[in-house]
Amino acid sequence: QVQLQESGPGLVKPSETLSLNCAVSGYSISSGYYWGWIRQPPGKGLEWIGTIHHSGSTYYNPSLKSRLTISVDTSKNQFSLRLSSVTAADTALYYCVRLFDYWGQGALVTVSS
Amino acid sequence: QTVVTQEPSLTVSPGGTVTLTCASSAGAVTSDSNPNWFQQKPGQPPRALIYSTSNKHSWTPARFSGSLLGGKAGLTLSGVQPEDEAEYYCLLYCGGAQHWVFGGGTKLTVL
Repeated sequence: QVQLQESGPGLVKPSETLSLNCAVSGYSISSGYYWGWIRQPPGKGLEWIGTIHHSGSTYYNPSLKSRLTISVDTSKNQFSLRLSSVTAADTALYYCVRLFDYWGQGALVTVSS
Repeated sequence: QTVVTQEPSLTVSPGGTVTLTCASSAGAVTSDSNPNWFQQKPGQPPRALIYSTSNKHSWTPARFSGSLLGGKAGLTLSGVQPEDEAEYYCLLYCGGAQHWVFGGGTKLTVL
């Protein structure tokens, strides 16, 4: 059974960098598939953030590309999200996924001073 | 940027049939758009239902089916159950470089 678990700070100050990790169990990232991040502001819809292949190739939402870095660490079987210069508009529930069948439970990140 | 449009809300009676649709501002939705459908209930992460237009995951109930109809992607629920009341999202692949866009979601009420 593939399981994904997000972790990271729940509160980030405006203009700082949001960082989240996604630990994968039940499947080796290096075996294949694409992996990604999706977010959902409170009470709103879903937004695709970006995708990474186990080889390290990345694909980003154009609206976030200038602030976004997604990376993978196959030795730890995890991948990560970094979003810089955050504002209140980045407050959301952040999900990590194995495109697109398995989802984590989500990590709520609030941007506030 | 491409906008993906879904019906904001639909209502269906228990045992009935309903079709949710998913349209793209970039033009007709085709199999190349790789339509995916997800169900989300309050307080839960989305659950994948359909991938690549019409393929079901191992956990997808048989009453859910995906298709292309009239330039849109469609999700049909046949024999709707009360537990199908949820928000449904479609997801389309748009353009090059692995770019994906979600629809705004359809709130399905079973009444």
